[in-house]
This record gives sequence, C-alpha cells and structure tokens, in this order.
Amino acid sequence: GNSVTQMEGPVTLSEEAFLTINCTYTATGYPSLFWYVQYPGEGLQLLLKATKADDKGSNKGFEATYRKETTSFHLEKGSVQVSDSAVYFCAPPQLSFGAGTTVTVRA
Amino acid sequence: DARVTQTPRHKVTEMGQEVTMRCQPILGHNTVFWYRQTMMQGLELLAYFRNRAPLDDSGMPKDRFSAEMPDATLATLKIQPSEPRDSAVYFCASGLGGSKNIQYFGAGTRLSVL
Repeated sequence: GNSVTQMEGPVTLSEEAFLTINCTYTATGYPSLFWYVQYPGEGLQLLLKATKADDKGSNKGFEATYRKETTSFHLEKGSVQVSDSAVYFCAPPQLSFGAGTTVTVRA
Repeated sequence: DARVTQTPRHKVTEMGQEVTMRCQPILGHNTVFWYRQTMMQGLELLAYFRNRAPLDDSGMPKDRFSAEMPDATLATLKIQPSEPRDSAVYFCASGLGGSKNIQYFGAGTRLSVL
C-alpha cells in the first residue's frame, strides 16, 4: 500500500527564513501526492498537489516537486511569514494523515 | 462557495451519553471521510464511504462507534456510550473519489466527554 514519512516537528522559524519540510513516500505505482495545511481552529485545506512524476505543485509561495528517483515530495518556501504558522500534512489520499509538522513563524 | 458543513461545532457531554455528529458533504461529491484528531495520535482515518457505501471502517472502534450515510446529503458518526478518551476534534471531508482527487474538510466538531 501507499504510505508517507514526514519530518517531525515542531519547527520554529523567524520571518523571512527558508522553510523545508521533508516528505518521502512508498507507493505502488505513482499516486498523486498532496500537501495540506491546517490553520489554528480550522479543518485541513489543500495547499498544493502533484499528479505525476516530475510535476511541481505551487501555491502561496510554497512549492513541492514529485521526485521519482528519491521518492520525495518535500515542501519548500523561500521566505516565510507569521501567517504561515500552521500544521502541514503530506499525504497520498485515503490514508490517515498522522501528526503533521507544526510550523511556528516568529516576527 | 461550496463547503462541507459539520454540526455541532462544539459538544460537551458526560461519559456514557450518546453523541451524534453530522456532516453535509459538498453537493455532487461521492466520497465521504471521517477523521479524528488528537495531540497524541494526530489525524486518524476512522471510516470512509463511496456512493453511500462504507468502503473502510477499520480505523473505527466497532463496539461504540458507528458511521452511516442515510442519504447523499448527510453523513453521521455516532458514539454510544461515549468515554473521556473519545474527546477529540472530529473532521468530515468529502471528495470525488479516486487517487487523484482532493479532499475538502469541514471545520470539525470539538467533542469533550467529561
């Protein structure tokens, strides 16, 4: 079956710092991969996705590239803001999301 | 703006009482998921349905939890009897199914069992 291994948190950064959250997957075939974000007090929402190898998903300054060679889908943002403080989840569909990675950005 | 609606948003109850949580999926979505989120376990999949039929409920404690879809516009998650360890935030999500499709989450029901 499909599974992902995501970097554990928490991660604390200063504003304008570079953020990377590692995610590697084990899969049969090449499933779509997703990053979701959960802001405080809310449900998860899709941040970005990639549907095939070498696809790059991007949204709100975040990027992730679906790399077949390294079976990775790392999330990156070049300059974080306080408003990026949230929990980030890497997931293929229809599986438990786990604990995610809690990111706190300090002004 | 279509969204998944969950009710109630908050529920406080006493141990032993029945709890029913409701979810209205986005119109036209054929897949519904129930999740539980706690600090210790993170976000766990409890059950999911496609076209109102349960496909997987292996994550759900069968002795006290039950999930149903009486019709395409309503999904319910019941706990009877409730226990303090059931205290968590319960999320419903809906989607179009298939491995390439996005899940749309509701705002959750925060349950506290005293």
